[in-house]
Amino acid sequence: EDKVVQSPLSLVVHEGDTVTLNCSYEVTNFRSLLWYKQEKKAPTFLFMLTSSGIEKKSGRLSSILDKKELFSILNITATQTGDSAIYLCAVGYGKLTFGQGTILTVHP
Amino acid sequence: EAEVAQSPRYKITEKSQAVAFWCDPISGHATLYWYRQILGQGPELLVQFQDESVVDDSQLPKDRFSAERLKGVDSTLKIQPAELGDSAMYLCASSIPRDRGTNEQFFGPGTRLTVL
Repeated sequence: EDKVVQSPLSLVVHEGDTVTLNCSYEVTNFRSLLWYKQEKKAPTFLFMLTSSGIEKKSGRLSSILDKKELFSILNITATQTGDSAIYLCAVGYGKLTFGQGTILTVHP
Repeated sequence: EAEVAQSPRYKITEKSQAVAFWCDPISGHATLYWYRQILGQGPELLVQFQDESVVDDSQLPKDRFSAERLKGVDSTLKIQPAELGDSAMYLCASSIPRDRGTNEQFFGPGTRLTVL
């Protein structure tokens, strides 16, 4: 059974700080790892990382995948209050197995 | 921009009653998923459809839950009878077929179920 563990469970920072969110996983057959952002509604897609795409960047957000050590990180630089959300990590291709999420709170 | 539609957005019911949730995926998305998200946890897959066929329902409590996608488009998830522990957010997601080389799933706004 696939397993995903995220850390920390919650994080409080101030605007302008840089944060790193962690995701470790155990899967029987790795195909992809996905990051989602969830505000007070449904998750919205951020990145998908695969064996052929282990680094992704979009604006202030970036993510890398370490297939050898079985983890991924999501970096957010120059955080803003709008970054406050739950960040979810998931593995799979088709069926996704999600971690419990990291609650990020960014204070002005 | 195309979105996954779900209704109702909120549902309050008493235990032992029946409830039903509806989902309309993005047009052209052959794969449809129902997830349950308990407060403080990540979503957990309940059932996956490919067109009108069930691909995976291993985590669906079949004694009380049922799901259908009769024409391979919209889908209904039913709980009968509802129990207190069913209180959660029920999320529907859709994606294009896996052989198109992507696994991105698009989520609907969810149905927040409260069982009293």
